[in-house]
Amino acid sequence: GDSVTQMEGPVTLSEEAFLTINCTYTATGYPSLFWYVQYPGEGLQLLLKATKADDKGSNKGFEATYRKETTSFHLEKGSVQVSDSAVYFCALTRTQGAQKLVFGQGTRLTINP
Amino acid sequence: NAGVMQNPRHLVRRRGQEARLRCSPMKGHSHVYWYRQLPEEGLKFMVYLQKENIIDESGMPKERFSAEFPKEGPSILRIQQVVRGDSAAYFCASSPSGAGNTIYFGEGSWLTVV
Repeated sequence: GDSVTQMEGPVTLSEEAFLTINCTYTATGYPSLFWYVQYPGEGLQLLLKATKADDKGSNKGFEATYRKETTSFHLEKGSVQVSDSAVYFCALTRTQGAQKLVFGQGTRLTINP
Repeated sequence: NAGVMQNPRHLVRRRGQEARLRCSPMKGHSHVYWYRQLPEEGLKFMVYLQKENIIDESGMPKERFSAEFPKEGPSILRIQQVVRGDSAAYFCASSPSGAGNTIYFGEGSWLTVV
């Protein structure tokens, strides 16, 4: 079945550091790919998405490129801030048939000032 | 968040009681999804509903759990005879239609069973 594997956390960085959170997937067909962010005590917010190969999703300085050849969707940010501390979830959904999100296990990110 | 309204935000139940969680989708959305997040884990799909229909309940436990999305009113996730292992965050999400649309999440309902 479909699955998403994320880089294990927790990840701790200093402010202004470069961030990469790895995400790879296994799916039949051509899924849509997403990054969601969950701040402490809150629900999930859509951070960015990509719906086809080579698409780049971007938002709030975060970027991720849909790489079909490596089945990856790594999240990157050039300079992180303390306010980026949260749990990040990579997810996919089929573009055909019944739609449901398959999530990775989440990566907890802590940014120190 | 994104307009999906869940209530209650926090619910405490004793073992054996019933828990009812409500979800009103975003305006114009006819598809509702429920996910469960156990402590320190990712979200797991439970059920996918359209108005008056269950489309996919492959993630629902076979016993004690049920979901509905009536013609009028919110979607309800019902857990009967709760046990400690049901303690989790339950997230509702909605989308305007089926495959290919972005799914938007509510802020979640945190159930604690004591």
